[in-house]
Amino acid sequence: AQTVTQSQPEMSVQEAETVTLSCTYDTSENNYYLFWYKQPPSRQMILVIRQEAYKQQNATENRFSVNFQKAAKSFSLKISDSQLGDTAMYFCAFMSTSGTYKYIFGTGTRLKVLA
Amino acid sequence: NAGVTQTPKFQVLKTGQSMTLQCAQDMNHEYMSWYRQDPGMGLRLIHYSVGAGITDQGEVPNGYNVSRSTTEDFPLRLLSAAPSQTSVYFCASRLDRGSTDTQYFGPGTRLTVL
Repeated sequence: AQTVTQSQPEMSVQEAETVTLSCTYDTSENNYYLFWYKQPPSRQMILVIRQEAYKQQNATENRFSVNFQKAAKSFSLKISDSQLGDTAMYFCAFMSTSGTYKYIFGTGTRLKVLA
Repeated sequence: NAGVTQTPKFQVLKTGQSMTLQCAQDMNHEYMSWYRQDPGMGLRLIHYSVGAGITDQGEVPNGYNVSRSTTEDFPLRLLSAAPSQTSVYFCASRLDRGSTDTQYFGPGTRLTVL
């Protein structure tokens, strides 16, 4: 069974600084997708970035980028130039592309951006 | 598009009561799912549906029933509420089972069972 682990329950960062959120996962599959979702205080879940396992190039979306290490089963999220609006809970998620295509979520990292 | 809508936003139940959480989407998505979110546990899949008339269990299905009579609606029924079902419930949809585009989430229902 797949598992997703986020070992940092809480983090804080100064505005305009860079922060990295960690995520590791376990799977025996070779192809899958990984996602980072953001949940601000409004509770609305928002997709931040996604990575296809067979693509070696790390995904980037504006200030958000990932460091995907397939062999190490690691998928960290880097937020550059942190803004107050980045304050949220961040969830790492895994989706298999065989079988049921279910999402497996990590337990989340609560990020606070300080002014 | 309204996206994914959920009602109610908040609900308090007594142990043993039953209720239905409503979920609807207007994006013609085939795949819909229900999650519960508990502190320190992330989101866990309760039930999902790959299309009208087809449902299946997720990680934590006990105590919940679902049905999918239309593409748009995917209600979640609590048969006999227990305090362990106190949680925030999210409904989500995506185009189809294999879609890797974003899942669209509803605003959530905060349920308290006394």
